[in-house]
Amino acid sequence: KNQVEQSPQSLIILEGKNCTLQCNYTVSPFSNLRWYKQDTGRGPVSLTIMTFSENTKSNGRYTATLDADTKQSSLHITASQLSDSASYICVVKGGSQGNLIFGKGTKLSVKP
Amino acid sequence: GAGVSQSPRYKVAKRGQDVALRCDPISGHVSLFWYQQALGQGPEFLTYFQNEAQLDKSGLPSDRFFAERPEGSVSTLKIQRTQQEDSAVYLCASSLPTRQGTGNTIYFGEGSWLTVV
Repeated sequence: KNQVEQSPQSLIILEGKNCTLQCNYTVSPFSNLRWYKQDTGRGPVSLTIMTFSENTKSNGRYTATLDADTKQSSLHITASQLSDSASYICVVKGGSQGNLIFGKGTKLSVKP
Repeated sequence: GAGVSQSPRYKVAKRGQDVALRCDPISGHVSLFWYQQALGQGPEFLTYFQNEAQLDKSGLPSDRFFAERPEGSVSTLKIQRTQQEDSAVYLCASSLPTRQGTGNTIYFGEGSWLTVV
């Protein structure tokens, strides 16, 4: 079954600290992997899109990595800010229908 | 418009009532998706349109759910005889042509929050 699993489920860090969120997937065939940020009460906003051949991609203080062999991805947030408090959702595009398969997200809280 | 627009943003419906949720995609976006997001969960796929054609409706949970996009732009998700388990956020998303294309950014609306009482 095509699945996307994220860990941890929730995370609390202090402002200015770094953190890493994990994503494991079993989607096959694989097309691409996306990370979205979803603020409470808002729609998801795209952070990065990575294809099979890309190992790392950055978007400001966000850096995503992809290991297509082990089917793992991570999202690293550097020098966290209060505005980084949100749910971060890992999404894999693939499967026989080419659907987007969403993880349940990691809820990040950045405290002052 | 500048982004995907959804209306209403909030809807409270009595059990058994019919509701209609509207989505205005980004101009020129051929692909349109509907997702259902329960509290604390990731979005779950409902249905997909390419222009006016509904190419995939495998995620619609029952025959009470119906979606249309008659002119290939605005889409409406209709839920008949609403039940409490229908309470969720309904997200609409759009993207540039070809579903099979890799790397097309998918833009989400802010969602329609449905509460069935």
